[in-house]
Amino acid sequence: QSALTQPRSVSGSPGQSVTISCTGTTSDVGGYNYVSWYQQHPGKAPKLMIYDVTERPSGVPDRFSGSKSGNTASLTISGLQAEDEADYYCCSYAGSYTFVFGGGTKLTVL
Amino acid sequence: EVQLVESGGGLIQPGGSLRLSCAAAGFTVSNNYVSWVRQAPGKGLDWVSVIYSGGGTYYADSVKGRFIISRDNSKNTVYLQMNSLRAEDTAVYYCAKARDRYNYGGYDYWGQGTLVTVSS
Repeated sequence: QSALTQPRSVSGSPGQSVTISCTGTTSDVGGYNYVSWYQQHPGKAPKLMIYDVTERPSGVPDRFSGSKSGNTASLTISGLQAEDEADYYCCSYAGSYTFVFGGGTKLTVL
Repeated sequence: EVQLVESGGGLIQPGGSLRLSCAAAGFTVSNNYVSWVRQAPGKGLDWVSVIYSGGGTYYADSVKGRFIISRDNSKNTVYLQMNSLRAEDTAVYYCAKARDRYNYGGYDYWGQGTLVTVSS
């Protein structure tokens, strides 16, 4: 049950696009199409942004998109806005009815 | 409206026990799966445990044998009994509801969290 690997930080200017990677193994990210992404602002609970690798819950802007290739999932945020500045976490089903989160990525909007 | 409200956190000495509660509204805990996820101060999210609709319970290796997840269907509440607490268990503990009870695709509702501090 090792944490998934995410970059500690990424940054971009308003209007630009950024991509956050989430690397696991064939036992988690690579083995299942059950990757989800969460946005967390300081002092707040996480918010679901992407589920089932590519699906967006209602209310989440279409600027947020997800993908996966092999053992690495990615979250792309296009048209960056100031309010997107937050911590982002990936999560994957890890088999045997368990889950694993990534270490988190701090997104800074310059 | 779906709501999750955690309670029961506090300051506890190493080796002690604490029981957290997660009171649910707007959905039935016995028809879904609910997890506990924790976040140590300044750190990332850490999956702890899950209870499925069928009653199956599963744990992260770091808490296996020390923590017990359960639920009271009549109170629509999920619990986390934490025993043999260690300093590294210090964290905000969140409960979270599965978006879809039939797959493992994510958690769509989270509580506000309850802080557990393990210190002498």
